Amino acid sequence: GAGVSQSPSNKVTEKGKDVELRCDPISGHTALYWYRQSLGQGLEFLIYFQGNSAPDKSGLPSDRFSAERTGGSVSTLTIQRTQQEDSAVYLCASSGTAASAQPQHFGDGTRLSIL
Amino acid sequence: GQSLEQPSEVTAVEGAIVQINCTYQTSGFYGLSWYQQHDGGAPTFLSYNALDGLEETGRFSSFLSRSDSYGYLLLQELQMKDSASYFCAPRSGNTPLVFGKGTRLSVIA
Repeated sequence: GAGVSQSPSNKVTEKGKDVELRCDPISGHTALYWYRQSLGQGLEFLIYFQGNSAPDKSGLPSDRFSAERTGGSVSTLTIQRTQQEDSAVYLCASSGTAASAQPQHFGDGTRLSIL
Repeated sequence: GQSLEQPSEVTAVEGAIVQINCTYQTSGFYGLSWYQQHDGGAPTFLSYNALDGLEETGRFSSFLSRSDSYGYLLLQELQMKDSASYFCAPRSGNTPLVFGKGTRLSVIA
């Protein structure tokens, strides 16, 4: 497709389980971002990948969170030993480059619910 | 560090004009972006101001004053479908956008 694709769209899991969220950015986009959005709140930055540079992990809330980007394209956000406070919508975005004025294009997100 | 302020909620009447203000504090400022997000939807890009002044795109306009670290989004001829959250996001150097909590706009008949 032409846009950012995220899967699954919804994920319900039990506390303590690990989850993997996937993001397929727009083809050719070098920058990829993960955000988290709790109900009625703003977007909380998690991690950002730019080309082959080391990712900016400054927004990851704990060491239970990690992400990788393989081949400069698809990215996976992993949450280990999930907690109820991890329940949120996880949004992925991509852009042509991070330093330009090109806008970030967002996927529809993964709604994660921890029981 | 960075700071960002915009009103949490605004209510306006259909057909009217509404202005959503944004003040920011950031180092290495490049420009100010605005995004719209409907309930349950993904944020979508509205505008980007790198230079001072007003940028107009249809019913939406965005303004930036770099010296005042201030911008606003102006929505004219409001429609019910404009009810959404609006986020200003300053761009600072080679870093991802910082989004605040946004302004929830409610358009009423």
